[in-house]
Amino acid sequence: EAQVTQNPRYLITVTGKKLTVTCSQNMNHEYMSWYRQDPGLGLRQIYYSMNVEVTDKGDVPEGYKVSRKEKRNFPLILESPSPNQTSLYFCASSFELVGNEQFFGPGTRLTVL
Amino acid sequence: GENVEQHPSTLSVQEGDSAVIKCTYSDSASNYFPWYKQELGKRPQLIIDIRSNVGEKKDQRIAVTLNKTAKHFSLHITETQPEDSAVYFCAASPPGYSTLTFGKGTMLLVSP
Repeated sequence: EAQVTQNPRYLITVTGKKLTVTCSQNMNHEYMSWYRQDPGLGLRQIYYSMNVEVTDKGDVPEGYKVSRKEKRNFPLILESPSPNQTSLYFCASSFELVGNEQFFGPGTRLTVL
Repeated sequence: GENVEQHPSTLSVQEGDSAVIKCTYSDSASNYFPWYKQELGKRPQLIIDIRSNVGEKKDQRIAVTLNKTAKHFSLHITETQPEDSAVYFCAASPPGYSTLTFGKGTMLLVSP
């Protein structure tokens, strides 16, 4: 089944404790992206990757890191999480670029205390 | 960068009525405009999209119109049904299709 998976789905952590949210897709998509969703703010792009070893900042990259060592995986790293990073995070992928349908993962609800 | 404004933030209609959601964008070079639907507790899913060389696109009860001169585009849903209740997001992408900027969303409530 074609899909985008994220882990964990739910995470409660404390300020400053490094964490990684994994994202994997099995559709051989070149483009992958991370978004955060906050009430009243919609979806905001954090980072994106147009292919292996090619990543770039979206609209809200501060406090996040990403890597794209393999085509199928695009982990999101929070080196020192803060409460303002409490949010719902979505990973998405698409064939080539965003001009094609973005397939979203199920989301990761992160709470930073 | 691109800025997308979406209105209204909430929209309540009776089953069978039409619903219209409007978005404006700031970057005149943007040329791809998708609409995503997000049901409660679910992930966003593409429902329709339009490119700048097209003025209107329809898919059954859903249509999108684009006015490049005015830099706005709209989602039209006819004969609404309770299962249309969801949050709808518009988005815009500049040439190169490297990024996607979303509006803040519209919660559509369709009452039986």
